[in-house]
Amino acid sequence: QSALTQPPSASGSPGQSVTISCTGTSSDVGGYNYISWYQHHPGKAPKLMIYEVSKRPSGVPDRFSGSKSGNTASLTVSGLQAEDEADYHCSSYGGNNNLVFGGGTKLTVL
Amino acid sequence: EVELVESGGGLVQPGGSLRLSCAASGFAFSTLWMSWVRQAPGKGLEWLANIKQDGSEKYYVDSVKGRFTIFRDNAKNSLYLEMNSLRAEDTAVYYCARYRPWQAFDYWGQGTLVTVSS
Repeated sequence: QSALTQPPSASGSPGQSVTISCTGTSSDVGGYNYISWYQHHPGKAPKLMIYEVSKRPSGVPDRFSGSKSGNTASLTVSGLQAEDEADYHCSSYGGNNNLVFGGGTKLTVL
Repeated sequence: EVELVESGGGLVQPGGSLRLSCAASGFAFSTLWMSWVRQAPGKGLEWLANIKQDGSEKYYVDSVKGRFTIFRDNAKNSLYLEMNSLRAEDTAVYYCARYRPWQAFDYWGQGTLVTVSS
């Protein structure tokens, strides 16, 4: 199972929106609606931000949204805030009880 | 409050073994699937293994099959990862996490660093 493809970096100014992509294949991203996104501040525990493509766990601001089209999933962060600066990782179910992650995207708030 | 605390990391020589532990609290540990995930330096996250509530089902990523074993002790609210035949490429921060039916990890620990080097 190959890793999903994410851009290494993304950036935006406070208040702007930024979208991070996560590209897989029809065997993972395109085949299942089990896409998750995690926010990870270095040295801390990763935090679940989105699951099942677009659902937000309790407590996650609605500035975070997820979507999917074909083999590509996306995380959009609207109204960027300084505390959004972190690494973001996508994951997908890959069938046969396997899960696959992306390489991670470092989001910088300018 | 849900808490997962990993321990057992450290420096080990290539070919060596190590057992990681994860102490869980704040939730009904025996009712949930659990997982191990790692992050090598400068790399993305990598799912390693899942284990069912009663330990009767276990699944592994191909790269660790036959070398790593996930197991749990529900009486101690603890999850473990036994790692054998360690390689330099196993150097990473290892996280335990709760694994939910929607194929997502909803709570994570802060990780424990494993360094495989001579």
